[in-house]
Amino acid sequence: KNEVEQSPQNLTAQEGEFITINCSYSVGISALHWLQQHPGGGIVSLFMLSSGKKKHGRLIATINIQEKHSSLHITASHPRDSAVYICALAGGGADGLTFGKGTHLIIQP
Amino acid sequence: DAGVIQSPRHEVTEMGQEVTLRCKPISGHDYLFWYRQTMMRGLELLIYFNNNVPIDDSGMPEDRFSAKMPNASFSTLKIQPSEPRDSAVYFCASSLASGLNSPLHFGNGTRLTVT
Repeated sequence: KNEVEQSPQNLTAQEGEFITINCSYSVGISALHWLQQHPGGGIVSLFMLSSGKKKHGRLIATINIQEKHSSLHITASHPRDSAVYICALAGGGADGLTFGKGTHLIIQP
Repeated sequence: DAGVIQSPRHEVTEMGQEVTLRCKPISGHDYLFWYRQTMMRGLELLIYFNNNVPIDDSGMPEDRFSAKMPNASFSTLKIQPSEPRDSAVYFCASSLASGLNSPLHFGNGTRLTVT
């Protein structure tokens, strides 16, 4: 079974700060998803990546397959970025996705 | 497209009652997933379908849970009889033909409370 570790579990930062959320896993995968869940509960897929780096607006996701590690970065953070960010793994011997426990991010104005 | 549509948004029921959750996936998506989210366990896969056929139901907690997908545009998750420990948010998600290696589109979830 693939073990997924997200860090930090909780993060509070000031508006404008550069944010990094990490995800490590134990077994090789075919893809990694970053999901965002707002306080209202809805889940949005931010990125799906299997190698390298992807960028969308102020969000950047990177993955290092050899090191079994991915990071999600937020530049110029804003209070509306406050949410739970979840790393989810595809493949690695399991059907469906294997989810991390999430990082609770609060951006204070 | 309206996205993945789930109903109801909230359901409160008494222990022992039957509960039916509904999902309409995005048109053209061949994969449909049911997930459950609790504070203790986070998000867990319950079952998923490919082209209306259940592929893996190993995440279904017990026989009280059942899921069907009678056609490409509709799926149900049924709990009978319901128990307080079933209280959770249930999400439906769909994706394109490549399944796990495609972006997932989630519905807004059904918040189930069993008293």
